[in-house]
Amino acid sequence: DAGVIQSPRHEVTEMGQEVTLRCKPISGHNSLFWYRQTMMRGLELLIYFNNNVPIDDSGMPEDRFSAKMPNASFSTLKIQPSEPRDSAVYFCASSLSAGTATEAFFGQGTRLTVV
Amino acid sequence: GDSVTQMEGPVTLSEEAFLTINCTYTATGYPSLFWYVQYPGEGLQLLLKATKADDKGSNKGFEATYRKETTSFHLEKGSVQVSDSAVYFCALSAPRRGSYIPTFGRGTSLIVHP
Repeated sequence: DAGVIQSPRHEVTEMGQEVTLRCKPISGHNSLFWYRQTMMRGLELLIYFNNNVPIDDSGMPEDRFSAKMPNASFSTLKIQPSEPRDSAVYFCASSLSAGTATEAFFGQGTRLTVV
Repeated sequence: GDSVTQMEGPVTLSEEAFLTINCTYTATGYPSLFWYVQYPGEGLQLLLKATKADDKGSNKGFEATYRKETTSFHLEKGSVQVSDSAVYFCALSAPRRGSYIPTFGRGTSLIVHP
């Protein structure tokens, strides 16, 4: 398996523009997580899905952020409109939740810079 | 809610020194505990894990023991190498609404000098 695949790896955009981050989880995994990493706040959980259904989005910072998982092999995180304070590394991770805790597999991240 | 606290970094050591990175947790029930490592420009990857009290996880010379009585999961290595320089994250995973949700500490940067 190729692991969790995120695109793009780097994104530079102007304030006010829409940004869409993409994630392909590992095949067979039923849980998907979006995290944001910054020096100030560390690794923050934004939202997670179980069997493609959003379970908890309480970590999403504002209504400007939205996430979807239309099927088991694809998820998006959208920021509209983007702001400079959204600059961070965004990670997607997936895992298999099957009655016991298993490791989360991370993608390589998308480094977002909003200017 | 669940939380993980780990020592602040950076930790700076000379090659072949002994490493300890402290980690304590707060959780309801009995979580599984993990250490992840992040190399520059990459995502987090699992280093080791322990799923119940007194379990010892080990990998690549690193070890950590699940101590329920002290709610701790300290990471140790007897002799570090320059290639161990990275950021280390302690994490717990506990069930929440049908999923096992990883909760991470802030990370501890390790710098090993030759």
